[in-house]
Amino acid sequence: GENVEQHPSTLSVQEGDSAVIKCTYSDSASNYFPWYKQELGKRPQLIIDIRSNVGEKKDQRIAVTLNKTAKHFSLHITETQPEDSAVYFCAAFYTGNQFYFGTGTSLTVIP
Amino acid sequence: NAGVTQTPKFRVLKTGQSMTLLCAQDMNHEYMYWYRQDPGMGLRLIHYSVGEGTTAKGEVPDGYNVSRLKKQNFLLGLESAAPSQTSVYFCASSTQGGDEKLFFGSGTQLSVL
Repeated sequence: GENVEQHPSTLSVQEGDSAVIKCTYSDSASNYFPWYKQELGKRPQLIIDIRSNVGEKKDQRIAVTLNKTAKHFSLHITETQPEDSAVYFCAAFYTGNQFYFGTGTSLTVIP
Repeated sequence: NAGVTQTPKFRVLKTGQSMTLLCAQDMNHEYMYWYRQDPGMGLRLIHYSVGEGTTAKGEVPDGYNVSRLKKQNFLLGLESAAPSQTSVYFCASSTQGGDEKLFFGSGTQLSVL
């Protein structure tokens, strides 16, 4: 079946450092790749997304890159702050009207 | 505009009991989804609907049924609950499939004893 792999599962960084989370997907027809942030006990919230016709997208301290040839995409958070601590999920939209999610990365930003 | 509302927020069941989770959205979205979230497993799709009167199976449909009798509501049923169905359940909706943002409900914590 379809598969989205996400690494690492846990990540600790010092405040101010950068954090990078990577995902790979299996369906070459996938065309939409969102990233969600989930704080403890809360619902997932979209933080950034990228479509297949774009290689990179930035929104302030957050950026996402997409390599369609290699079928992987990454989330980059610069100048990390304690409030960035959360679980981050990548997802890929597959033909058949389904989003498949990665298994999540628990990010801890150490003050 | 409440967005996506799930009820109940918490529920404890005994093995073999049945229950229905309700998801309601007021954004006139066509697509609705039910996910379960387990530690280390991410979000896994149970069932989804692409419009009123339609439903389809996702990754992990066994033990669940759904109905979409009205566009704004998507019901998830457990006919005979099992401990393996202990999880956090999230409903989500979007305007259409494809490259559209998912809006999530606040989740239902279900424990099956």
